[in-house]
Amino acid sequence: KAGVTQTPRYLIKTRGQQVTLSCSPISGHRSVSWYQQTPGQGLQFLFEYFSETQRNKGNFPGRFSGRQFSNSRSEMNVSTLELGDSALYLCASSLDGVQETQYFGPGTRLLVL
Amino acid sequence: GNSVTQMEGPVTLSEEAFLTINCTYTATGYPSLFWYVQYPGEGLQLLLKATKADDKGSNKGFEATYRKETTSFHLEKGSVQVSDSAVYFCALTQGGSEKLVFGKGTKLTVNP
Repeated sequence: KAGVTQTPRYLIKTRGQQVTLSCSPISGHRSVSWYQQTPGQGLQFLFEYFSETQRNKGNFPGRFSGRQFSNSRSEMNVSTLELGDSALYLCASSLDGVQETQYFGPGTRLLVL
Repeated sequence: GNSVTQMEGPVTLSEEAFLTINCTYTATGYPSLFWYVQYPGEGLQLLLKATKADDKGSNKGFEATYRKETTSFHLEKGSVQVSDSAVYFCALTQGGSEKLVFGKGTKLTVNP
């Protein structure tokens, strides 16, 4: 069974631009979560989607948004990029989202210049 | 709120040495506990997990026991290899939420 895939793997943007990252979960998984990883703050939860609905949200500004499609694929969007948004963005999927094991993708590394 | 505290790294060991990475947590109720590993340039891989008190998770020679009385989930391996060099994260989930709360991570380097 294929793992979690994320595209693109690397991205360079400039301040003020917006970016969309994509995540395809493991087949049959309906929950998708997003995390931001930075050297200073570590791994921080962004949001979780289950059956196309946002179920949980972390403490990030409204510039960070996401959505999930009927095939469980998910996208996250960051508008008006800031230098501090440079990070590794990780997507994780799980079966039904009730304290199930989450499986992570390789991440998208975003650099904001 | 829920939190996870890991021992500060980095940790440097010689091959075949014994490894312990300490992890303690703060949570109400009964969280599920996890160890994830991140190799250079990669995402996170689940190493092992435990969902209730006294459960022992194990995988690839690594073990951790869920100790509710000490709110701990320490990671151990009897004989490390160079290929174990990576960053190790302790994490928890709780209350029907998928939100993983992570520790800061511990970087392990194993020298031949």
